[in-house]
Amino acid sequence: AQSVTQPDIHITVSEGASLELRCNYSYGATPYLFWYVQSPGQGLQLLLKYFSGDTLVQGIKGFEAEFKRSQSSFNLRKPSVHWSDAAEYFCAVGANPGSGYSTLTFGKGTMLLVSP
Amino acid sequence: DGGITQSPKYLFRKEGQNVTLSCEQNLNHDAMYWYRQDPGQGLRLIYYSQIVNDFQKGDIAEGYSVSREKKESFPLTVTSAQKNPTAFYLCASRLAGSRGETQYFGPGTRLLVL
Repeated sequence: AQSVTQPDIHITVSEGASLELRCNYSYGATPYLFWYVQSPGQGLQLLLKYFSGDTLVQGIKGFEAEFKRSQSSFNLRKPSVHWSDAAEYFCAVGANPGSGYSTLTFGKGTMLLVSP
Repeated sequence: DGGITQSPKYLFRKEGQNVTLSCEQNLNHDAMYWYRQDPGQGLRLIYYSQIVNDFQKGDIAEGYSVSREKKESFPLTVTSAQKNPTAFYLCASRLAGSRGETQYFGPGTRLLVL
């Protein structure tokens, strides 16, 4: 069974500083990997996804993530954080569609706080 | 505009009562999903459906039921058997066979117990 670990429950970053959110996954085959963001009381918005090809993936709002198969990681990065980036971030892994029913497994999330 | 709508935004349940959460999508997506979100727990899958008139239990299906009579609708019923229903419920949909298997989410329904 697939699983996702987000080791950091909370992270505080100063506005303008760089950001890296960690994500480690467990899955036997080639994974589909996602990062979603959630503002309080809202649904989830897709930031970016990896399914094949270039291991460095660009997303919306200036975010990027790098897939490292050897480390089973898919860390999210942003070079300069804005106060509006404060939210909860979720990493997710999806089963290969060839398996039949396709589902996502989510990590428990990392809450990003941005200080002035 | 295409999207996923969930209603109501807030829902109150009395002891022993069944309540139904609505999820509608006009994206022409084939697959639909229901998740439960509790603080610090991430999202946990309740039920999912790949096609009309077919659905599968997720990790925490006990105390919940669903139906999929129409492609665009996937209502979730929280039954009286669910002893701790207070949570944020999210519906999602996905285009079957879409590359990358991306799920798109609705705005959520918060269920509270009176």
